[in-house]
Amino acid sequence: TQTVSQSDAHVTVFEGDSVELRCNYSYGGSIYLSWYIQHHGRGLQFLLKYYSGNPVVQGVNGFEAEFSKSDSSFHLRKASVHWSDSAVYFCAVRSTGGLSGKLTFGEGTQVTVIS
Amino acid sequence: NAGVIQTPRHKVTGKGQEATLWCEPISGHSAVFWYRQTIVQGLEFLTYFRNQAPIDDSGMPKERFSAQMPNQSHSTLKIQSTQPQDSAVYLCASSLDLQNNYAEQFFGPGTRLTVL
Repeated sequence: TQTVSQSDAHVTVFEGDSVELRCNYSYGGSIYLSWYIQHHGRGLQFLLKYYSGNPVVQGVNGFEAEFSKSDSSFHLRKASVHWSDSAVYFCAVRSTGGLSGKLTFGEGTQVTVIS
Repeated sequence: NAGVIQTPRHKVTGKGQEATLWCEPISGHSAVFWYRQTIVQGLEFLTYFRNQAPIDDSGMPKERFSAQMPNQSHSTLKIQSTQPQDSAVYLCASSLDLQNNYAEQFFGPGTRLTVL
């Protein structure tokens, strides 16, 4: 069984400041990790993914994430947030084995950007 | 590219009525997923089709819920005898074939189901 934990339910950050959203997972095998953003009343939009290779991956709109096998983590970062980054962010994990492509999501982190 | 299309966007049913939710995946995508989102449970996987065949329905409630994919251009999620606890946003997603790459899933806007 794979689990994903996002320790911060809500983060408030000033526009122009940096932000880091934490994601920790629990799974014994090989996995695929991703981050999604959900603006209010909308569906999820893909930000970035990691499967192998360089542990730092770049995504859309200046987001990046870093994978750490030792910490079982996949934290999301942005150097300078914009008001439009206010949304809920979900970390997701998927097993690379087997036939199912189902994603297991974390609880989500609500990000509020203030000026 | 219109993205994943879900209809209706909102549906209100009375307790005991049937609800059918529709999803049109992105053209060319062979994998279709259904998820449910609630405040209490968060995002939960329901079921997954690949090339129209059901692959994994481990998240589907054993009773009253069923999903089909009669052709490559649409999938339906049917809930019989709806109950208030079925109230949720139902999200459909599609992706390219998962065998050769770990393709991201593209989500539709969701259908908000309210059972009175």
